[in-house]
Amino acid sequence: NAGVTQTPKFRVLKTGQSMTLLCAQDMNHEYMYWYRQDPGMGLRLIHYSVGEGTTAKGEVPDGYNVSRLKKQNFLLGLESAAPSQTSVYFCASSYDTTPGATEAFFGQGTRLTVV
Amino acid sequence: AQKVTQAQTEISVVEKEDVTLDCVYETRDTTYYLFWYKQPPSGELVFLIRRNSFDEQNEISGRYSWNFQKSTSSFNFTITASQVVDSAVYFCALRSYSGAGSYQLTFGKGTKLSVIP
Repeated sequence: NAGVTQTPKFRVLKTGQSMTLLCAQDMNHEYMYWYRQDPGMGLRLIHYSVGEGTTAKGEVPDGYNVSRLKKQNFLLGLESAAPSQTSVYFCASSYDTTPGATEAFFGQGTRLTVV
Repeated sequence: AQKVTQAQTEISVVEKEDVTLDCVYETRDTTYYLFWYKQPPSGELVFLIRRNSFDEQNEISGRYSWNFQKSTSSFNFTITASQVVDSAVYFCALRSYSGAGSYQLTFGKGTKLSVIP
């Protein structure tokens, strides 16, 4: 079982460059999330999606865009990378409908450095 | 809005000691879920437990136990007879209604546990 797969695992960008992080899940989950993890800050929600074709802003959405064109994929884009976006990015998915909800299943993380 | 507070940033214990990690949450939702995750030094996030708001029974799984108290909005995690392998960052998380027909999963800032041999 692949679960949640993030691509790439590591990346170094120059300030101003753009890139897209890909998250794929094979569990047919409706909900998908992008988080960033910074020292002492825990996991902060960037954007999330409650289903194919829908996205919503989380706690720290500025500087990022997302798309959910297919149910199994959730893309996170950085149009013009800044050093403040140096972080570890985690994608997650969950089965999330009233009344039930599973735990979120996480990818392995992407370590992004912007120089 | 929902919020999760883990007041303990770092804890150090000597092996075989018991340790409790605190988690306090805020939500206006009446139906919500609480979770604990472990993040070992290798970096992956490992799911430990899920608890829904209607089930206040405490749970024990081996050396791990959880105390859920709605009256104080707390979901504390205790490790009995700690081991070096328990050294990790532990996150508490809350899934509750965020408005506009959707739910959010909100994490605390984490507690770094160091178990000293």
